Amino acid sequence: NAGVTQTPKFRVLKTGQSMTLLCAQDMNHEYMYWYRQDPGMGLRLIHYSVGEGTTAKGEVPDGYNVSRLKKQNFLLGLESAAPSQTSVYFCASRSAGGRHTQYFGPGTRLTVL
Amino acid sequence: QQQVKQSPQSLIVQKGGISIINCAYENTAFDYFPWYQQFPGKGPALLIAIRPDVSEKKEGRFTISFNKSAKQFSLHIMDSQPGDSATYFCAAGTGTASKLTFGTGTRLQVTL
Repeated sequence: NAGVTQTPKFRVLKTGQSMTLLCAQDMNHEYMYWYRQDPGMGLRLIHYSVGEGTTAKGEVPDGYNVSRLKKQNFLLGLESAAPSQTSVYFCASRSAGGRHTQYFGPGTRLTVL
Repeated sequence: QQQVKQSPQSLIVQKGGISIINCAYENTAFDYFPWYQQFPGKGPALLIAIRPDVSEKKEGRFTISFNKSAKQFSLHIMDSQPGDSATYFCAAGTGTASKLTFGTGTRLQVTL
């Protein structure tokens, strides 16, 4: 049981390049989330999904797109990377049951030059 | 608009002392208040959580105190240990999607 995994762990992009971050969970969780973590700003929600085929905007969605084609995977895309998107990105998942615990992945450190 | 305000930004406590981190929220619709612990290079992990129908919850050395009328909640770490050195985030959630709004974090250092 690997929990929540994220690929890649590190990435350096040039301004204008695109990339996709992959999040996978093996806990059969319904809900999945993408956050970004910046110094002094805590964790901010980018997009989330309440089930396969559904997505919704979070607090800071501009410049990002997401897809949830399979229940276990949640992809975060950057179409045209900007230096302001330099951050650590975390994926999380939780079950639809009574407990609200979100389980986080190890993070992806992205630098945009 | 920051809906969850956390203080202090950093905290240094001696081994065996009490660490106290405070959070305040604005949205009265919040109905779930977790604390997450994050070690360097790792993702956050749930430490302890409380719902607004109780004023205190204790798990081992960790206690959440909750004041609904003041819209404040705090984390107390008793007998703080060097292994508790980490960044702590408070959060508040609401709704079926259980979206969480996080505080800005407190970096705790426990010295020998």
